[in-house]
Amino acid sequence: KQEVTQIPAALSVPEGENLVLNCSFTDSAIYNLQWFRQDPGKGLTSLLLIQSSQREQTSGRLNASLDKSSGRSTLYIAASQPGDSATYLCASTGSARQLTFGSGTQLTVLP
Amino acid sequence: DAGVIQSPRHEVTEMGQEVTLRCKPISGHDYLFWYRQTMMRGLELLIYFNNNVPIDDSGMPEDRFSAKMPNASFSTLKIQPSEPRDSAVYFCASILGTQETQYFGPGTRLLVL
Repeated sequence: KQEVTQIPAALSVPEGENLVLNCSFTDSAIYNLQWFRQDPGKGLTSLLLIQSSQREQTSGRLNASLDKSSGRSTLYIAASQPGDSATYLCASTGSARQLTFGSGTQLTVLP
Repeated sequence: DAGVIQSPRHEVTEMGQEVTLRCKPISGHDYLFWYRQTMMRGLELLIYFNNNVPIDDSGMPEDRFSAKMPNASFSTLKIQPSEPRDSAVYFCASILGTQETQYFGPGTRLLVL
């Protein structure tokens, strides 16, 4: 059974800092790896999706990498802003498109 | 498109009552997923459907939980009888199988007293 772990559970940084969120998974037979953002009391918003054959994806200030052999993914956020404060979840996708989520990293960017 | 629609957005009920959560997936999507989010267990998959057929319900916690998808545009998740430990946020999501990104509804916040 796939298990997804995220470190750290919480992170607080000053505005403008670059930061890295980590995600690891136990079963490398994934369809893809996704990063989501969740604001308090809200649903999930997809940020980046990396296909199993890809190494990274970029969107604006966000860059996600994937290393299937080591079972790891990272989300890099450049020049963080207070508006980036949220919980970030990574999820592996199985062959039937079902998602297995990590427990999330709660990010606070201080002005 | 209005996205995935869930109702109600909030539900407060008493232990032992029946609770029905509703979901309307994005038109044309052929997969529908029900997830539950709690502080203790995070986000976990309960059940998913493909073309209205339940494929995997191994995540459904107990027989008190049941889900149906009578047509491509509607699904329900029912809890009967409800218990305080069922208090959580329940999310519905849908995807078109040929695409990649799963779209989530806003969730239903359930509180069982």
